[in-house]
Amino acid sequence: TQLLEQSPQFLSIQEGENLTVYCNSSSVFSSLQWYRQEPGEGPVLLVTVVTGGEVKKLKRLTFQFGDARKDSSLHITAAQPGDTGLYLCIGTQGGSEKLVFGKGTKLTVNP
Amino acid sequence: KAGVTQTPRYLIKTRGQQVTLSCSPISGHRSVSWYQQTPGQGLQFLFEYFSETQRNKGNFPGRFSGRQFSNSRSEMNVSTLELGDSALYLCASTLGGALYGGYTFGSGTRLTVV
Repeated sequence: TQLLEQSPQFLSIQEGENLTVYCNSSSVFSSLQWYRQEPGEGPVLLVTVVTGGEVKKLKRLTFQFGDARKDSSLHITAAQPGDTGLYLCIGTQGGSEKLVFGKGTKLTVNP
Repeated sequence: KAGVTQTPRYLIKTRGQQVTLSCSPISGHRSVSWYQQTPGQGLQFLFEYFSETQRNKGNFPGRFSGRQFSNSRSEMNVSTLELGDSALYLCASTLGGALYGGYTFGSGTRLTVV
């Protein structure tokens, strides 16, 4: 059972466009982390959200944690080719550090 | 500071063989976890070690095993390799988990079983 559903699975856009990807669950998470993974490399942490309703910004990337802490979104403004990669959301539940994974959104930004 | 180092980066093995992968965590990180990543299944948790003790284990067969040394370096071993074991194997280290700095992943070992 995949506890974290990411959508869309694939996204191909032109440079300069805006986009939003989603990470949804019916379960409550104590934290959600977003990572970006480039081909042949390991995931790199972008942000951690822990409070319901929290919004964090990282340059052109805006992350939001749902009020009920069951979902999260990542919005990219004016996407650039360097944003290309696999965006993964990873959650933690309760006091356990056993991680729950989404399958990722593969983003391609074409010049 | 040095990141998480995984060796080797690429490996080709034959069915039935065994393989050992190595992971050196960030200095000071005592928790090391291992993951299997495939296009179909995404990331799947294998196991986590903390101070040489296995703290959590995922749903993988006993052919997958690991250990951690006193310097926090970790190895994972896969015996009797199957074609389906072909994957990117990632390890990650952390100082205090998701809420304290998150997880730092290595670049992975790409294992191909033929």
